Amino acid sequence: DTEVTQTPKHLVMGMTNKKSLKCEQHMGHRAMYWYKQKAKKPPELMFVYSYEKLSINESVPSRFSPECPNSSLLNLHLHALQPEDSALYLCASSQVGPKGEETQYFGPGTRLLVL
Amino acid sequence: LAKTTQPISMDSYEGQEVNITCSHNNIATNDYITWYQQFPSQGPRFIIQGYKTKVTNEVASLFIPADRKSSTLSLPRVSLSDTAVYYCLVLGNQGGKLIFGQGTELSVKP
Repeated sequence: DTEVTQTPKHLVMGMTNKKSLKCEQHMGHRAMYWYKQKAKKPPELMFVYSYEKLSINESVPSRFSPECPNSSLLNLHLHALQPEDSALYLCASSQVGPKGEETQYFGPGTRLLVL
Repeated sequence: LAKTTQPISMDSYEGQEVNITCSHNNIATNDYITWYQQFPSQGPRFIIQGYKTKVTNEVASLFIPADRKSSTLSLPRVSLSDTAVYYCLVLGNQGGKLIFGQGTELSVKP
């Protein structure tokens, strides 16, 4: 099973709202990720969590706040977003194979629209 | 981090074999080559991964020459449902920092 789930599938929010995106995996993966993808562009890495600790923040604005409550869950808290933050937000988790190869598995994404 | 270069787009017809080549000239010794498929508004789906020579699974084959500076994803007998963007990435022990290139937009026609 290589399933990563994300909720909600779609989200519309105003610029003054506070909302959260959720991601879950039960594969025992110890690394989890948030990516942002604009239309017709490749995914861009936002955050990396390793063993529930934030290990990489790709200079993401503070209006995006990640949280990793446990090894299976990853949240992305949203506050005071701008219309240009509208995008597909992807969660992923990864495992390292016996030869050191790393494979990331992605969720279906949350389509966010900021009005 | 190894940078990858792929054709921006490719066209094919149903039933044909499609080969997408990716160049990664500065691949590191511990890097693996991974290919993903992505449909519009969906997350990338893992297709295949390899280190050298040839890897085959139920959906694709991956050919990697000895110098590992390029790789070729081979999709046998494509169908309309294979229309998607295909990304080639190289990833080693870099703490998960996957950097996506522009990908190849494959269009399969009837």
